[in-house]
Amino acid sequence: TAGITQAPTSQILAAGRSMTLRCTQDMRHNAMYWYRQDLGLGLRLIHYSNTAGTTGKGEVPDGYSVSRANTDDFPLTLASAVPSQTSVYFCASMKVAGQGATGELFFGEGSRLTVL
Amino acid sequence: AQKITQTQPGMFVQEKEAVTLDCTYDTSDPSYGLFWYKQPSSGEMIFLIYQGSYDQQNATEGRYSLNFQKARKSANLVISASQLGDSAMYFCAMKSYGQNFVFGPGTRLSVLP
Repeated sequence: TAGITQAPTSQILAAGRSMTLRCTQDMRHNAMYWYRQDLGLGLRLIHYSNTAGTTGKGEVPDGYSVSRANTDDFPLTLASAVPSQTSVYFCASMKVAGQGATGELFFGEGSRLTVL
Repeated sequence: AQKITQTQPGMFVQEKEAVTLDCTYDTSDPSYGLFWYKQPSSGEMIFLIYQGSYDQQNATEGRYSLNFQKARKSANLVISASQLGDSAMYFCAMKSYGQNFVFGPGTRLSVLP
């Protein structure tokens, strides 16, 4: 079982360029999340989606947008990248009530983005 | 506001010894879950253990146990019989109903041979 697939695994991007990080899950989880991981700060929530067709802002949403057209896909877009967006990005999903909820987050393997 | 605190940026432990990683949390919600994740140098996030706020007994999963002290709002992870493969970053996290997950800054554990 693939679980959550993220692409690309690594990317170098010039400042001012746009970029979409892809995230696909095959577990039919309702909730999906995007986090960024920075040293000493742990994981911070960028955007989330509790179900297909809905999205919400997390702790650090500025400069990022998401869409949730279907259950499986949750892409994260940087419209105009800046160096402070250099980070490791994790996509995650979670079972919710009605799917045998455990509350556990399932993570993708991460996407390392460097903005120069 | 919900918050997770991990006061140990780095920890060392001798192989085969036990180690406790500290985690304190802050929430006003009566119902919540506490989680520990392991992140080895390869980067993936691995779920280790879960404790519900109403659980009467401390959670255990193999060599991992969670020392849950509700009144103190602490959820320390205890790893028994440390192995070299336990060297990693460890994150404590919390989730309340209707809220998103909150993660601590992490503790880097190094197991010495």
